[in-house]
Amino acid sequence: ETGVTQTPRHLVMGMTNKKSLKCEQHLGHNAMYWYKQSAKKPLELMFVYSLEERVENNSVPSRFSPECPNSSHLFLHLHTLQPEDSALYLCASSQDQSGATEAFFGQGTRLTVV
Amino acid sequence: DAKTTQPNSMESNEEEPVHLPCNHSTISGTDYIHWYRQLPSQGPEYVIHGLTSNVNNRMASLAIAEDRKSSTLILHRATLRDAAVYYCILRAINTDKLIFGTGTRLQVFP
Repeated sequence: ETGVTQTPRHLVMGMTNKKSLKCEQHLGHNAMYWYKQSAKKPLELMFVYSLEERVENNSVPSRFSPECPNSSHLFLHLHTLQPEDSALYLCASSQDQSGATEAFFGQGTRLTVV
Repeated sequence: DAKTTQPNSMESNEEEPVHLPCNHSTISGTDYIHWYRQLPSQGPEYVIHGLTSNVNNRMASLAIAEDRKSSTLILHRATLRDAAVYYCILRAINTDKLIFGTGTRLQVFP
């Protein structure tokens, strides 16, 4: 248990659906991250939030829309996804953006787009 | 971002020490060296990090070369539960990024 909780753990959605992934941490961390991990590929950083402001957007398609309503919660809103978007989506948090601090990851949401 | 180079895979027997190498020849003076591992079907897990001096914690030890161009993660007694992909990552002091490479897949045999 890392203190970072992701829900749901598994999600199957059609290409026309809209769904949201949720991430929650009560570690008092100020930075939160979304990563995507496709099969046999390294983790790809998608978004970074610091103090509830988006500070990084790694050329992610607009069908992925992040939201950080407060420092404890992070959402990833999904709409009109493609089958190639099927992957493990991981949330992480860290005390701040400093390289001296470690990140804590959730267990991930396994997303399948059909 | 400075890059790291790790072997694709390594093997160990249970209860033996494991030394996982990482080369980072382009490291800058403000880059921290982080290690994470990812067990099957789980999110990555923080292992250890350091800047210049060797570091020890309950999970592992981190040996950093004097010129900082390489480091070694040491698992003192491998267990089956240590079978995972181990990632060596450089993280600058003022960065918001934690960029993962392909890591080293460690297999542990009974």
